[in-house]
Amino acid sequence: DAGVIQSPRHEVTEMGQEVTLRCKPISGHNSLFWYRQTMMRGLELLIYFNNNVPIDDSGMPEDRFSAKMPNASFSTLKIQPSEPRDSAVYFCASSLTLVGNQPQHFGDGTRLSIL
Amino acid sequence: QKEVEQDPGPLSVPEGAIVSLNCTYSNSAFQYFMWYRQYSRKGPELLMYTYSSGNKEDGRFTAQVDKSSKYISLFIRDSQPSDSATYLCAMMAGNDMRFGAGTRLTVKP
Repeated sequence: DAGVIQSPRHEVTEMGQEVTLRCKPISGHNSLFWYRQTMMRGLELLIYFNNNVPIDDSGMPEDRFSAKMPNASFSTLKIQPSEPRDSAVYFCASSLTLVGNQPQHFGDGTRLSIL
Repeated sequence: QKEVEQDPGPLSVPEGAIVSLNCTYSNSAFQYFMWYRQYSRKGPELLMYTYSSGNKEDGRFTAQVDKSSKYISLFIRDSQPSDSATYLCAMMAGNDMRFGAGTRLTVKP
């Protein structure tokens, strides 16, 4: 079974550049989550979707961050313009549904470094 | 006070030891409890998923939930070097999911 697939695995870019992170959830999963992980703050939920619709984006740190889910098998998280403090590991996770307290399954993350 | 408290460690034990990892929480609405294992440079991997108070066993792993004390534990029996990882507790109430900070475990051969 293919798990959650994220790309790229690593991204190094200069401050001010646009960064786009990609995620393919597990087939059949209707809910998708974007997280950021740092040593200082641990795992933080940024935004989540249900049936391709954004449900809660209160964790998105600033307007520089945006996320889309154009279809059930693809989502993007975009940072524009990027800043050094955005450096972190970004994870995508998916679950079967939002209701029924279904557990989340994570991808292996994108390690982002902003110079 | 954080909603979920987890001792970050690090915790180092010899191979074969019994490991006890713990989390406390403050929100009594949490009903579902999970443990994730995260190897270096990998995503969190679901290890155990439990509902309400009690014990759940899966091989060498036992998850324990005490809702009256707002306390959950993960026990690892006969620990192996391959168990070396960061263990994150997580809990859910409806759409609200919270993670602990993670405990870094090293099992030495």
